[in-house]
Amino acid sequence: TQLLEQSPQFLSIQEGENLTVYCNSSSVFSSLQWYRQEPGEGPVLLVTVVTGGEVKKLKRLTFQFGDARKDSSLHITAAQPGDTGLYLCAGGSARQLTFGSGTQLTVLP
Amino acid sequence: EAGVTQFPSHSVIEKGQTVTLRCDPISGHDNLYWYRRVMGKEIKFLLHFVKESKQDESGMPNNRFLAERTGGTYSTLKVQPAELEDSGVYFCASSQEWSSGRNWLLSEQFFGPGTRLTVL
Repeated sequence: TQLLEQSPQFLSIQEGENLTVYCNSSSVFSSLQWYRQEPGEGPVLLVTVVTGGEVKKLKRLTFQFGDARKDSSLHITAAQPGDTGLYLCAGGSARQLTFGSGTQLTVLP
Repeated sequence: EAGVTQFPSHSVIEKGQTVTLRCDPISGHDNLYWYRRVMGKEIKFLLHFVKESKQDESGMPNNRFLAERTGGTYSTLKVQPAELEDSGVYFCASSQEWSSGRNWLLSEQFFGPGTRLTVL
């Protein structure tokens, strides 16, 4: 069974601070996706990375796929209250997505 | 364009009863997926339809769960009889065209808002 461990589970920071969320596994994935979920809604895709070592930037968010394609990180620069939400990583292999347990981020004004 | 819709948004039933969840994917999406998140756990894959065919149902927990997608449009997930451990949020997602030679996981999956199922 493939597992994705996310850390931290909860993160509460002040507006303007930087943060990094980690997603780690002992398994290799063909792709790694990051989602954000708001209360009462389903996850929304933020980014997909497919190449080991790949880095993608989406405004203040930077996503990195580990060289061995077993881990990934999400870095947010100058966090804003609008960044508050549940961040999920999901690894793709074979024909399924394996989700991590999520990081609940709260950005305080 | 309407997103993925799910009905009902909440369902409270007693152990032993039957519940049917419905998912309407984005129009024209061949792929339809069911996932669920039980309390305190991660979202887990249940099954994948390509049009009306079950492509992968390896995540279905047991034979109390039956998913259908007649006509390749909307899908239903029936739980009969429901047990306490079936409580959780059931998500449906859809994505665009299917191509056997293509990494379908790179097609963005659009998730519905989920159905929160509570079995008492």
